[in-house]
Amino acid sequence: ETGVTQTPRHLVMGMTNKKSLKCEQHLGHNAMYWYKQSAKKPLELMFVYNFKEQTENNSVPSRFSPECPNSSHLFLHLHTLQPEDSALYLCASSQSGLAGANTGELFFGEGSRLTVL
Amino acid sequence: DQQVKQNSPSLSVQEGRISILNCDYTNSMFDYFLWYKKYPAEGPTFLISISSIKDKNEDGRFTVFLNKSAKHLSLHIVPSQPGDSAVYFCAASAVSTNAGKSTFGDGTTLTVKP
Repeated sequence: ETGVTQTPRHLVMGMTNKKSLKCEQHLGHNAMYWYKQSAKKPLELMFVYNFKEQTENNSVPSRFSPECPNSSHLFLHLHTLQPEDSALYLCASSQSGLAGANTGELFFGEGSRLTVL
Repeated sequence: DQQVKQNSPSLSVQEGRISILNCDYTNSMFDYFLWYKKYPAEGPTFLISISSIKDKNEDGRFTVFLNKSAKHLSLHIVPSQPGDSAVYFCAASAVSTNAGKSTFGDGTTLTVKP
């Protein structure tokens, strides 16, 4: 496999459920991201991991819990979500280096379409 | 306050003509700008980028122009092809402060008619 793979592609869950989104990148990158795309809104950055360490939490509610066990895998654990959390969740990776040594180009997965009932 | 804006939600052009997609930004810390293309049911894919030290970058049919004083960039596609029909996102990052982190615009849906 190549690129960035996300599973599941579609997920429907109730507000009391606990589920997880999974992302795997096969590009040898050292930075991974979760973005959220809601209807008619721009992509919103949620979390950033560099070298497995979380470097950014963009004021995301605690019902979203990320996990990065290694540079190739990223999870987003979901619990007690709200209907307004229904959105497309996109994982991305990039090669993060020293300041000025990274173009910032993101490689995205196909996304996980989440519906919260 | 939205820092990256694409004021045209949609654009329709005839095949073979030029497509011009526009993007404005407000944060003067942004020093790297990217365009992504997104087809339905797929994630965005990188198209072209430009650093703030340049005012133009060209890659085949795609050219990005940057006007730093106006905080404006544009993507030109010429000639446009039906396969270019997609949503185009403008993104900006401050590479020197947080490499890889990007702020996105709302996107512009381009339709190229045969």
